[in-house]
Amino acid sequence: NAGVMQNPRHLVRRRGQEARLRCSPMKGHSHVYWYRQLPEEGLKFMVYLQKENIIDESGMPKERFSAEFPKEGPSILRIQQVVRGDSAAYFCASSPSRQNTEAFFGQGTRLTVV
Amino acid sequence: TQLLEQSPQFLSIQEGENLTVYCNSSSVFSSLQWYRQEPGEGPVLLVTVVTGGEVKKLKRLTFQFGDARKDSSLHITAAQPGDTGLYLCAVAMYSGGGADGLTFGKGTHLIIQP
Repeated sequence: NAGVMQNPRHLVRRRGQEARLRCSPMKGHSHVYWYRQLPEEGLKFMVYLQKENIIDESGMPKERFSAEFPKEGPSILRIQQVVRGDSAAYFCASSPSRQNTEAFFGQGTRLTVV
Repeated sequence: TQLLEQSPQFLSIQEGENLTVYCNSSSVFSSLQWYRQEPGEGPVLLVTVVTGGEVKKLKRLTFQFGDARKDSSLHITAAQPGDTGLYLCAVAMYSGGGADGLTFGKGTHLIIQP
C-alpha cells in the first residue's frame, strides 16, 4: 500500500502568487486532514475533509485559503496571494474513518514565499 | 493557552542514557497518541494509549497514560542516535459528529549524541 503522497515536496512562490498543494490519501482512506507546521507554533490543524465535503475548517484562515477533496483525484489546499507569513511546512494526513483517530501523514510540502 | 504542554522542549543526551519526556494537560482525554517526526518528514504514529494507567512498550520505548487520563510520559531506555527526532503528543478533537482531527503539543526535540 502506498502511503499518503504529497506534492510538490518543495514549493517556492513570490508574494502575491498562488500556491496549490496536493495530497493523495492512503488507498481506502476517504478522510483527509491538513495541518500547518511553524517552528514557533508547532503542528496546527487546518481543515478536515471527506470526499466532496468540508467537515471542519475551523483551523483555516478565512481569507486566501481554501481546500477541496473532489470525488476523483487528490485533495488540494489552495493559498491565494501568498504572503511571507504563509511560509511553512504543510502536512496532509488520512484515516479510514472518522472514528479512527490514528492519522497517517505524508512527507509534507515546504512552502517558501519570497 | 496550549492544551497539551510537553516538556522538556529540548533534550540532548549521550547514547546509552535513559530519558523521560512528558505530555501534560488539565483536561481529560479518551485517548492520547505519540508521534515521532524526523527532519524533513511527516509525523509517524508510535502508539495510542486509551486506558488510565495503561503502559505500552515498543522495544526500548515505554509509554504511560496517567491514571486520570490527563497526562502521559514516554521513557526511552538506552537511547540510540536513531531515536533522535521531534516527539509529539496529540489528542483527538471532537464535535457533535465525531473526531475532527488532532491537537498536538509543541513537542520535545530529542538529540542523541553518539
